[in-house]
Amino acid sequence: GAVVSQHPSWVICKSGTSVKIECRSLDFQATTMFWYRQFPKQSLMLMATSNEGSKATYEQGVEKDKFLINHASLTLSTLTVTSAHPEDSSFYICSAAGGSSGANVLTFGAGSRLTVL
Amino acid sequence: AQSVTQLDSQVPVFEEAPVELRCNYSSSVSVYLFWYVQYPNQGLQLLLKYLSGSTLVKGINGFEAEFNKSQTSFHLRKPSVHISDTAEYFCAVSRREGGKLIFGQGTELSVKP
Repeated sequence: GAVVSQHPSWVICKSGTSVKIECRSLDFQATTMFWYRQFPKQSLMLMATSNEGSKATYEQGVEKDKFLINHASLTLSTLTVTSAHPEDSSFYICSAAGGSSGANVLTFGAGSRLTVL
Repeated sequence: AQSVTQLDSQVPVFEEAPVELRCNYSSSVSVYLFWYVQYPNQGLQLLLKYLSGSTLVKGINGFEAEFNKSQTSFHLRKPSVHISDTAEYFCAVSRREGGKLIFGQGTELSVKP
């Protein structure tokens, strides 16, 4: 089956620092990964589409300089929240297409909860 | 652009009762439809998907959904729920399989003994 791993699952940081979240496809290659943000008791909002070897495509209203996305290999995409502030506290979830179920099946990671103090 | 509306934010139901979670979508083009389940502090798990063909789709854990093009709906049903079905359920659309998903607001299913 397809497995997507996110690390860290929980992170607490001080305001003004940067935090990196990793999204790995463990048993398949993913040319495309998606990053979502979820506030408590709310839906998932797509932040950006991460493409291996090229720049990410950000959704309207998402600050690309604030949320840096790097997709350096076919199994790893990273999201860096730069100069984090309390309002950036959220649940960040990635998804990747691929795996034994088919190249077009999306698998989600377990999410990373960021708390900015 | 596509959008998804889940008509109920919370659905309380007793164990072994049937349940229907409603989902309506809007799109100017053909879309693929999905239902995902999310347990607390976890990612999403795919319940079922409609790509084409039969409008009645069966998924995991005894869930099924019916695609109704004329009503632009994709309601999720289960004939008899269990306590373990308590979770958040999301309806989503995509213009292509494996493409970016647009999610509805979510429905919290609470199954009581």
